[in-house]
Amino acid sequence: GIQVEQSPPDLILQEGANSTLRCNFSDSVNNLQWFHQNPWGQLINLFYIPSGTKQNGRLSATTVATERYSLLYISSSQTTDSGVYFCAVGPGDYKLSFGAGTTVTVRA
Amino acid sequence: GAGVSQSPSNKVTEKGKDVELRCDPISGHTALYWYRQSLGQGLEFLIYFQGNSAPDKSGLPSDRFSAERTGGSVSTLTIQRTQQEDSAVYLCASSLLGRTNEKLFFGSGTQLSVL
Repeated sequence: GIQVEQSPPDLILQEGANSTLRCNFSDSVNNLQWFHQNPWGQLINLFYIPSGTKQNGRLSATTVATERYSLLYISSSQTTDSGVYFCAVGPGDYKLSFGAGTTVTVRA
Repeated sequence: GAGVSQSPSNKVTEKGKDVELRCDPISGHTALYWYRQSLGQGLEFLIYFQGNSAPDKSGLPSDRFSAERTGGSVSTLTIQRTQQEDSAVYLCASSLLGRTNEKLFFGSGTQLSVL
């Protein structure tokens, strides 16, 4: 299957700071999604972004499919942004391969 | 329903017992997925349903694991003769048609602990 590497594994931020999370993948993909898992375990879909750039409030994401990476930007971080961010990719069918995640802690 | 519902939220069982985990997808979603998340790990694909059919069971870790879906809605994941390595969070997700460009919506998961 497709290998997914996320970096950094852990990130500690002061409230109000900006950050960038990275996802590298080993093969061509037609499906790429970013998820946020909150401290209670709930997984929320943030973006479907196999290519291009999207923005949703303080979050934005960019995928450069030809270079096999995606970036998730968090601006003006808030404590509610804490949790684990997962990148998941797939070749074009239903099966997604998940990275190990980036654990983000935002301190007040 | 408004979201994907899973039950129970927590299950503690003894090694060797059978367990059933339930998933109720978003109403109208034809595609349903089971994933497993071990402590500190990413998600591992288990099985995919399109309607009541499971075209891909390749992620099931052993023949002790089985799943079914009835009425194109509720799904049950059954683990027979549980082992300690089965301890994990079992997550269910659904999507509208199972197409590539669809977002997955996850339930809150079932935390399974095998003693």
